[in-house]
Amino acid sequence: DTGVSQDPRHKITKRGQNVTFRCDPISEHNRLYWYRQTLGQGPEFLTYFQNEAQLEKSRLLSDRFSAERPKGSFSTLEIQRTEQGDSAMYLCASSQGASGSNEQYFGPGTRLTVT
Amino acid sequence: DAKTTQPPSMDCAEGRAANLPCNHSTISGNEYVYWYRQIHSQGPQYIIHGLKNNETNEMASLIITEDRKSSTLILPHATLRDTAVYYCIVRVHYGGSQGNLIFGKGTKLSVKP
Repeated sequence: DTGVSQDPRHKITKRGQNVTFRCDPISEHNRLYWYRQTLGQGPEFLTYFQNEAQLEKSRLLSDRFSAERPKGSFSTLEIQRTEQGDSAMYLCASSQGASGSNEQYFGPGTRLTVT
Repeated sequence: DAKTTQPPSMDCAEGRAANLPCNHSTISGNEYVYWYRQIHSQGPQYIIHGLKNNETNEMASLIITEDRKSSTLILPHATLRDTAVYYCIVRVHYGGSQGNLIFGKGTKLSVKP
């Protein structure tokens, strides 16, 4: 399968714990995006990378959240000191960006439950 | 905020055409109309996009009005597997300084047998 993959698919954690999610984009895509989706709402943008550079961050990305894409391939999203309000689906997407078109291809998401 | 308006829900009989409307009255000249859908518990799936001409691919057709203030996504022969939330999004197509898609609440399409 050459689509976007995310790991884990589900994560249950206790409030105050740290969690880290991984996203592997489509291999030739240089843009990578993170979104968050709560029940009944559309996905909300968190941040995106062009290769290894983080070019934009939403105001939703509080200082407890950090994202990295160290070698311009896979990315990680870490949430420190989780809160119950962090419970959501975290979606990763990739696109060719730059000289290519901007259709974004999404992974299956990681569902986080904070108890 | 989303720059599009869609009805919250629609029903369609299996085998019939599903016509999903979208209003985007403030669309800019360099913005395209994109459609995505999200089947329950999955990530969004790209369907189609267009600028001003009608577009068709293996999944759907996109009809954009001449003034570009509205569009319709057409699923010609809806199946039960097309039951999903459909999102209409406007954005610049190539490059651009902003990478994100702005999703609204979309239209929940229910295809019924």
